[in-house]
Amino acid sequence: AQSVAQPEDQVNVAEGNPLTVKCTYSVSGNPYLFWYVQYPNRGLQFLLKYITGDNLVKGSYGFEAEFNKSQTSFHLKKPSALVSDSALYFCAVRDGAGANNLFFGTGTRLTVIP
Amino acid sequence: GAGVSQTPSNKVTEKGKYVELRCDPISGHTALYWYRQSLGQGPEFLIYFQGTGAADDSGLPNDRFFAVRPEGSVSTLKIQRTERGDSAVYLCASSQGQGLHGYTFGSGTRLTVV
Repeated sequence: AQSVAQPEDQVNVAEGNPLTVKCTYSVSGNPYLFWYVQYPNRGLQFLLKYITGDNLVKGSYGFEAEFNKSQTSFHLKKPSALVSDSALYFCAVRDGAGANNLFFGTGTRLTVIP
Repeated sequence: GAGVSQTPSNKVTEKGKYVELRCDPISGHTALYWYRQSLGQGPEFLIYFQGTGAADDSGLPNDRFFAVRPEGSVSTLKIQRTERGDSAVYLCASSQGQGLHGYTFGSGTRLTVV
């Protein structure tokens, strides 16, 4: 069975500082990993994904994430936070050898302080 | 269409009533997924279709929930004898094939059972 853990419910960071949103996962096969962002009263928007290849993945809006197989982690990062990055972030995983459906973490609320 | 369309965007119903929620996926996407998101939680998997058939319905909470996709495009999630605990945002997503290029989510239907 697959699962995702986002250990921080809330992350606060000052504008212009680097940000990290943590995610760890568990799957039996090869992991396919995703990050989504959700703004108030909006659907989930895709940020980036890791399927295979380079461990550092670059996505939308300047976000990137690093796949670390030994630590089973896929932390989301951005070098310089913007106030407009404030939102709810979800990490998701699917088992590459299993069904196509994604399993989501409980989300991390990012607040960027001006 | 250009994106995943869900209707209605909001639905208020009385306890015990029957409701139908509609999802119109991106044209050509063979896979369709239903999720439920309760307040403060991550999306919870309900059911996944590949074409017309339900490939995995293990997330449906009980037999009051049912979903169909008769022509392999539009899908309807049906909830019988609604309960107050069914109140949530119901999200639909679609993907090409196995989802290696990502999953596109609709804006959701907010269901409120009073």
